[in-house]
Amino acid sequence: DAKTTQPNSMESNEEEPVHLPCNHSTISGTDYIHWYRQLPSQGPEYVIHGLTSNVNNRMASLAIAEDRKSSTLILHRATLRDAAVYYCILLNSGGSNYKLTFGKGTLLTVNP
Amino acid sequence: ETGVTQTPRHLVMGMTNKKSLKCEQHLGHNAMYWYKQSAKKPLELMFVYSLEERVENNSVPSRFSPECPNSSHLFLHLHTLQPEDSALYLCASSQGLGRAQNTEAFFGQGTRLTVV
Repeated sequence: DAKTTQPNSMESNEEEPVHLPCNHSTISGTDYIHWYRQLPSQGPEYVIHGLTSNVNNRMASLAIAEDRKSSTLILHRATLRDAAVYYCILLNSGGSNYKLTFGKGTLLTVNP
Repeated sequence: ETGVTQTPRHLVMGMTNKKSLKCEQHLGHNAMYWYKQSAKKPLELMFVYSLEERVENNSVPSRFSPECPNSSHLFLHLHTLQPEDSALYLCASSQGLGRAQNTEAFFGQGTRLTVV
């Protein structure tokens, strides 16, 4: 399985943008990039996913490098409720690789 | 509220007890999962069910026994657990397997299990 690398932790200030990086240098052409986050004392929740083009939704934006070896999750204005562990996960669209395999993720701290 | 409900939220059990964790979803999903999250460790996938059939068992000890009686319900039966089994047990569901382009998993809030 292609792996991802994320910083262990990041800090941000409230109402400022946050850029959470993810490296996936061994990504295959059919791997989708998914992001989940886990707030304290809760189960993970889906944030966003993409393949090649940048994606936007109500929660965040996903910027994917042209060579797809890295991506960045962008929170446009961080709030205290965005403090969570953010996971970058690769899912292959072929075969039976349905498994969401979680790494350690990035612990985001948001300062008031 | 994610649409996936787990009960109980907290459970304390002795090593000789038998208990069950319950997961329920009314999202119309046909795949359900059990994950284990130990302190300071990544989530570990334990079991996967698709259309009520178990399709994955990730070398989980037999003291954990899953059951999926229908597509809306998933159970995890526990017996003779060890203190190291204390963890947060999370249930998730999704619409179909192997569809990475649109597979969004919904997680419950988990059951915090303590084995004494």
